[in-house]
Amino acid sequence: KAGVTQTPRYLIKTRGQQVTLSCSPISGHRSVSWYQQTPGQGLQFLFEYFSETQRNKGNFPGRFSGRQFSNSRSEMNVSTLELGDSALYLCASNLAGSGEQFFGPGTRLTVL
Amino acid sequence: AQSVTQPDIHITVSEGASLELRCNYSYGATPYLFWYVQSPGQGLQLLLKYFSGDTLVQGIKGFEAEFKRSQSSFNLRKPSVHWSDAAEYFCAVGESSRGEKLTFGTGTRLTIIP
Repeated sequence: KAGVTQTPRYLIKTRGQQVTLSCSPISGHRSVSWYQQTPGQGLQFLFEYFSETQRNKGNFPGRFSGRQFSNSRSEMNVSTLELGDSALYLCASNLAGSGEQFFGPGTRLTVL
Repeated sequence: AQSVTQPDIHITVSEGASLELRCNYSYGATPYLFWYVQSPGQGLQLLLKYFSGDTLVQGIKGFEAEFKRSQSSFNLRKPSVHWSDAAEYFCAVGESSRGEKLTFGTGTRLTIIP
């Protein structure tokens, strides 16, 4: 069974631009969560989608948004990029009720 | 608000030695506790989880953790470490047994010396 895949793996953007990251969960998993990992703030929860609906949201500004498609694939978008948005963005999928999140390898975003 | 504290930023142990990584949590209700491991350049992998029941839980790769409600702790242990255990370890607390919306500790980096 294929794991969680994230594309692209690396991205370089400049301040003010926007970016879209993609996550394909494990087949059959309907919950997808996003996390931001930085050296300063550590791992922080962004949001979670289940059956195309945002079910949970972390404390991030509105520049961070996401969506989920009917095939459970998810995208997250960051608009008006800031230097502080440079981070590893991790996606995780969850088989409903299992209590275990399966993480992808992440997308490394660098904002110049 | 829930929080997780991992007091040790970096730990170095010799191969074959025992290991204990500390984790303290703050959560008003029944905590759903997890330990994850992250190897360089990779995502996180679940080692073990505690929801209820037996306070000593067994995980993968020979790890175990003990839940102590009186101390608000969930320490990770391994009797004998292997060089391949070198990684970063994260303790996390979740709001439900579904395991989503995790609050992570700052992590403990484990170095293994021969």
